[in-house]
Amino acid sequence: NAGVTQTPKFRVLKTGQSMTLLCAQDMNHEYMYWYRQDPGMGLRLIHYSVGEGTTAKGEVPDGYNVSRLKKQNFLLGLESAAPSQTSVYFCASSYGPSGGGYEQYFGPGTRLTVT
Amino acid sequence: AQSVSQHNHHVILSEAASLELGCNYSYGGTVNLFWYVQYPGQHLQLLLKYFSGDPLVKGIKGFEAEFIKSKFSFNLRKPSVQWSDTAEYFCAVSGGSQGNLIFGKGTKLSVKP
Repeated sequence: NAGVTQTPKFRVLKTGQSMTLLCAQDMNHEYMYWYRQDPGMGLRLIHYSVGEGTTAKGEVPDGYNVSRLKKQNFLLGLESAAPSQTSVYFCASSYGPSGGGYEQYFGPGTRLTVT
Repeated sequence: AQSVSQHNHHVILSEAASLELGCNYSYGGTVNLFWYVQYPGQHLQLLLKYFSGDPLVKGIKGFEAEFIKSKFSFNLRKPSVQWSDTAEYFCAVSGGSQGNLIFGKGTKLSVKP
């Protein structure tokens, strides 16, 4: 099993450009998540999905959109990138909700720089 | 709103020293508690978790944590650290049956050989 994979690993964007980050999992998990990690801030939840075709906002959703058209994929889009979106983005998946004690499995991360 | 506090930003220890990393949370109801570790250049992985039952939880690589409900704490411990434990450690809490994870800001551990 590959677990959780993320594409691309690194990306540099200019302000105003758009891009899509792809997350894929092969564990048949229902739940998927997008986080951003900034120095000294820990991980903050951007958006999440509790199943195919569903999405919901997390703690810091502004400037991002997501889609979950297939159970195994969760896409994160930036329509008009801003320097404040420079961060490391992690995708995660889980069989059930964290409130039910289910572990989240994380991908390797995407380092995004917006100039 | 739920929150998680990790009081130590950076801890530096020598090999064989004992480790205790503090984690406090604010949530009045039932909680699930997790410690994740991020080794340099790698993704987060689960060290241990508390869901219910024995408040002393044992995890991988000799780590353990104790849930003290009255203190809203879930401190991580290891009796003797190794250089390979150098990493960033994140405490996370999930409240309620459908709650998402709220992460602390992390504690960097540097172990000197």
